[in-house]
Amino acid sequence: KQEVTQIPAALSVPEGENLVLNCSFTDSAIYNLQWFRQDPGKGLTSLLLIQSSQREQTSGRLNASLDKSSGRSTLYIAASQPGDSATYLCAVPNSGNTPLVFGKGTRLSVIA
Amino acid sequence: GAVVSQHPSRVICKSGTSVKIECRSLDFQATTMFWYRQFPKQSLMLMATSNEGSKATYEQGVEKDKFLINHASLTLSTLTVTSAHPEDSSFYICSARASEGVGELFFGEGSRLTVL
Repeated sequence: KQEVTQIPAALSVPEGENLVLNCSFTDSAIYNLQWFRQDPGKGLTSLLLIQSSQREQTSGRLNASLDKSSGRSTLYIAASQPGDSATYLCAVPNSGNTPLVFGKGTRLSVIA
Repeated sequence: GAVVSQHPSRVICKSGTSVKIECRSLDFQATTMFWYRQFPKQSLMLMATSNEGSKATYEQGVEKDKFLINHASLTLSTLTVTSAHPEDSSFYICSARASEGVGELFFGEGSRLTVL
């Protein structure tokens, strides 16, 4: 059974810092990996999707990497801003039609 | 990205009543939709997988007679919480996967259910 772990559970940084969020998964036979952002009381916003054959994806200040063999992914946020404050979730499906298995998320606070 | 609309965003009901939540994919067709439940400060827990034109597949421990799921078209799935009780109060989120493409999942804004 796939299990997804995210470290740290919470993180507080001053504005402008670069930061890394970590995600690990137990079953490396994943179809892809998605990073999401969730604001309090809201749904999920998809940030990046990395296919199993890819090593990284970039969108603006965000860069996600994937090391499938070791079961790890990182989300790098450059020059953090207070608006980046949210919970970041990573999730994996085991095949193209299976639902996502989520980590518990990292709660990020960027202090102005 | 693609848009998934969920309605209502908030609902308060009395114990014993039924509540229907709608999930629509607005700009793509979704043969598969997923319903999740989220408790405060917890991650998302999958409740069921909804396939267009067939019965939903429920996760272990989820009562199919209590959480009725209907996926009658490629753009609409509904979750009905029947005879709701206070312990059903939660944040319910749907997601949809496009029939074509790389398998990215898109999520609705969620529905906050409060049962009094």
